[in-house]
Amino acid sequence: KQEVTQIPAALSVPEGENLVLNCSFTDSAIYNLQWFRQDPGKGLTSLLLIQSSQREQTSGRLNASLDKSSGRSTLYIAASQPGDSATYLCAVSLNTGNQFYFGTGTSLTVIP
Amino acid sequence: EAGVAQSPRYKIIEKRQSVAFWCNPISGHATLYWYQQILGQGPKLLIQFQNNGVVDDSQLPKDRFSAERLKGVDSTLKIQPAKLEDSAVYLCASSTGTGMYQPQHFGDGTRLSIL
Repeated sequence: KQEVTQIPAALSVPEGENLVLNCSFTDSAIYNLQWFRQDPGKGLTSLLLIQSSQREQTSGRLNASLDKSSGRSTLYIAASQPGDSATYLCAVSLNTGNQFYFGTGTSLTVIP
Repeated sequence: EAGVAQSPRYKIIEKRQSVAFWCNPISGHATLYWYQQILGQGPKLLIQFQNNGVVDDSQLPKDRFSAERLKGVDSTLKIQPAKLEDSAVYLCASSTGTGMYQPQHFGDGTRLSIL
């Protein structure tokens, strides 16, 4: 069974800092990996999707990397802003099915 | 375009009672998902529909949970009877197809509290 772990569980940084969120998974036979953002009381918003054949994806201040062999992904946020405060979840899907396996998330607080 | 609509937003019931949640996906989206998100955890897929057929319900506790999507549009998820461990947020999502490159669009969820 696929296990997805996110470290740290919570992170607090001053505005303007660059930061890295980590995601690790146990089964490297993934189809793709997605990073989501979840605001309190809201559903999930997809940020970046990395296909298994890709190494990274970028969108604005966000950059996600994927290393299948080591079972790791990172989400890099540049020049953090208070509006970035949210919970960030990574999810992987396996070649064998349609299901996403989610991590437990990292709660980010950016202090003005 | 209108997003995924869910109702109610909040529900409080006592254990052993029944409860139902409703989801209206984005117009034209063939695939609909129900997730359970327990506090402090990531969402867990309960059931996936493609039109009105079930694609995956392997993690649905079928002794107490049921879901239907009769006309291939909106869907209901029911719990009967509810247990304390069912306290969670129930998220509905939809996508245009089953392909893993199709992004899932999420509703705001229904927060269920069991007393």
